[in-house]
Amino acid sequence: AQKVTQAQTEISVVEKEDVTLDCVYETRDTTYYLFWYKQPPSGELVFLIRRNSFDEQNEISGRYSWNFQKSTSSFNFTITASQVVDSAVYFCALGANFGNEKLTFGTGTRLTIIP
Amino acid sequence: GAVVSQHPSRVICKSGTSVKIECRSLDFQATTMFWYRQFPKQSLMLMATSNEGSKATYEQGVEKDKFLINHASLTLSTLTVTSAHPEDSSFYICSASDGPNYEQYFGPGTRLTVT
Repeated sequence: AQKVTQAQTEISVVEKEDVTLDCVYETRDTTYYLFWYKQPPSGELVFLIRRNSFDEQNEISGRYSWNFQKSTSSFNFTITASQVVDSAVYFCALGANFGNEKLTFGTGTRLTIIP
Repeated sequence: GAVVSQHPSRVICKSGTSVKIECRSLDFQATTMFWYRQFPKQSLMLMATSNEGSKATYEQGVEKDKFLINHASLTLSTLTVTSAHPEDSSFYICSASDGPNYEQYFGPGTRLTVT
């Protein structure tokens, strides 16, 4: 069975601070995909990143960066110089295949950036 | 990127009535569509997976006679909540995939309120 754990339920930081959202996953599959989504108050899921299990390179996209460590089954997400617009619920998800397999979502982390 | 629409975005219905939610892939053919449900401040839980032209596969605990899913074409899937009750009030999100090597694209969600 697949499982995604986001231990941080809620995080609040002051604007411009860096913040890291944790994600730990469990799977028996040798090939799998990890995702991060942002859900603003409007409810629509915004895709942030997809990473396959064979690619452990960290990735940076603007103020966002991701740290994938297979040894600890973690896929953490860091926002540097946080902004108020970053306030949202962030979900980490795990999929067995790229597109046609269901995603298992973590419980989400509600991030509040205080101006 | 690929676009998935949902209609309606919000619906209020009376207890005992049925309501239909549509999920459309606007610029690609979706061989597989997924329906998720999200209760307030909770994670997304997969309800069912539907492949075009075949019966949907429901997750454990989801009543297939209550949540009717039809995926009659490559661009449209519908979820009908039959004899809705207040406990069915939730945010329903669909996603669509155009094959095993492509990612899932999420719709904007439908907020159902049953009074």
